[in-house]
Amino acid sequence: QQQVKQSPQSLIVQKGGIPIINCAYENTAFDYFPWYQQFPGKGPALLIAIRPDVSEKKEGRFTISFNKSAKQFSLHIMDSQPGDSATYFCAATFSGNTGKLIFGQGTTLQVKP
Amino acid sequence: GAVVSQHPSWVICKSGTSVKIECRSLDFQATTMFWYRQFPKQSLMLMATSNEGSKATYEQGVEKDKFLINHASLTLSTLTVTSAHPEDSSFYICSAPNPGLREQFFGPGTRLTVL
Repeated sequence: QQQVKQSPQSLIVQKGGIPIINCAYENTAFDYFPWYQQFPGKGPALLIAIRPDVSEKKEGRFTISFNKSAKQFSLHIMDSQPGDSATYFCAATFSGNTGKLIFGQGTTLQVKP
Repeated sequence: GAVVSQHPSWVICKSGTSVKIECRSLDFQATTMFWYRQFPKQSLMLMATSNEGSKATYEQGVEKDKFLINHASLTLSTLTVTSAHPEDSSFYICSAPNPGLREQFFGPGTRLTVL
């Protein structure tokens, strides 16, 4: 019940394409869903986060879509660039979890020029 | 965003030695910090929750006596890998939550290689 399942494991798109990464969860107590971007040899960096009371959130070229009834959320990267090539992790937590994040398995994105 | 630093960024040691990794919150106080390890092409695995002024809380399967955590101040947590072995080679990352908010910020990570 504490798992967050992420797919696909890897993704290749052309520059300008819109990669979509999906995550699903079981625990309905989760109330905060962040996305992290990680470059090789670096720590994860917070990209964008959403709470379950909204269905969509945009920050720049990054959009989270959230479907509470399906217990799924996804990251869309608009007008993707080669510099977006990285590993992306979704995560979830709830207020009673001492801040512990439950991470998805990660998606390695390659954006071809 | 808030800044979390780690030192060293990489370390190579001989089998059987101990290695200390520091995690600092540079512009905010953190009563709680988290320690993760990450193997190549895998997700982050939470090892323990570091609590300022009290004992760390370890995740199931993590050896407390091998991975010693000390959270001596509101800006510093340390992870000591004792009697390191090659299988302990990994990327160790700490994180700290932004006080009063849900955001959690990660350090740049420490690459440990045990020969």
